[in-house]
Amino acid sequence: AQSVTQLDSQVPVFEEAPVELRCNYSSSVSVYLFWYVQYPNQGLQLLLKYLSGSTLVKGINGFEAEFNKSQTSFHLRKPSVHISDTAEYFCAVRSGGSYIPTFGRGTSLIVHP
Amino acid sequence: SQTIHQWPATLVQPVGSPLSLECTVEGTSNPNLYWYRQAAGRGLQLLFYSVGIGQISSEVPQNLSASRPQDRQFILSSKKLLLSDSGFYLCAWSLPTGTNSPLHFGNGTRLTVT
Repeated sequence: AQSVTQLDSQVPVFEEAPVELRCNYSSSVSVYLFWYVQYPNQGLQLLLKYLSGSTLVKGINGFEAEFNKSQTSFHLRKPSVHISDTAEYFCAVRSGGSYIPTFGRGTSLIVHP
Repeated sequence: SQTIHQWPATLVQPVGSPLSLECTVEGTSNPNLYWYRQAAGRGLQLLFYSVGIGQISSEVPQNLSASRPQDRQFILSSKKLLLSDSGFYLCAWSLPTGTNSPLHFGNGTRLTVT
């Protein structure tokens, strides 16, 4: 079985500050990891994905994430956030031939001016 | 490129009325298709998924059903809506090969049952 834990339900931060959104997963087999962003009243948009290879993956909108197998983590980072980054962020994992990804409960990023 | 269309964007329906939400995908063949529900302030709940025409798997028992009459069409239905069916419904697709394909979501339908 696979599971995803997003440790923070809400992360407030000031504009131009760095941010890290945390994600930990559990799975007994190799995994594929994803981060999505959801703006109000919209669907989820893929930010980035880790499939294999380099553990540091870069995505859209200046976000990046690092896969850490020993810590079973896939934290999302951005060195300088903008007001427009205010949104809900979801971490997801797929593994073991499953059709079904498991999503975390989401982290609300709130960027203050 | 692939696109996903979901409609309507918003819907207000009385309790006991029927429901039909439609989702279509363009630019790919034999996609895996998914219906999710997102209650206010909560995460994503998988309702149904399909790996082919006529093949529907239900993840939770509920008042809803799904059908896939064509390769790239996925329909969510209910015969009689309940208040608890209110929420944000999302359709998604992924490539049929392997498990490393991300899901791609539609823009969602906001359903309010009154």
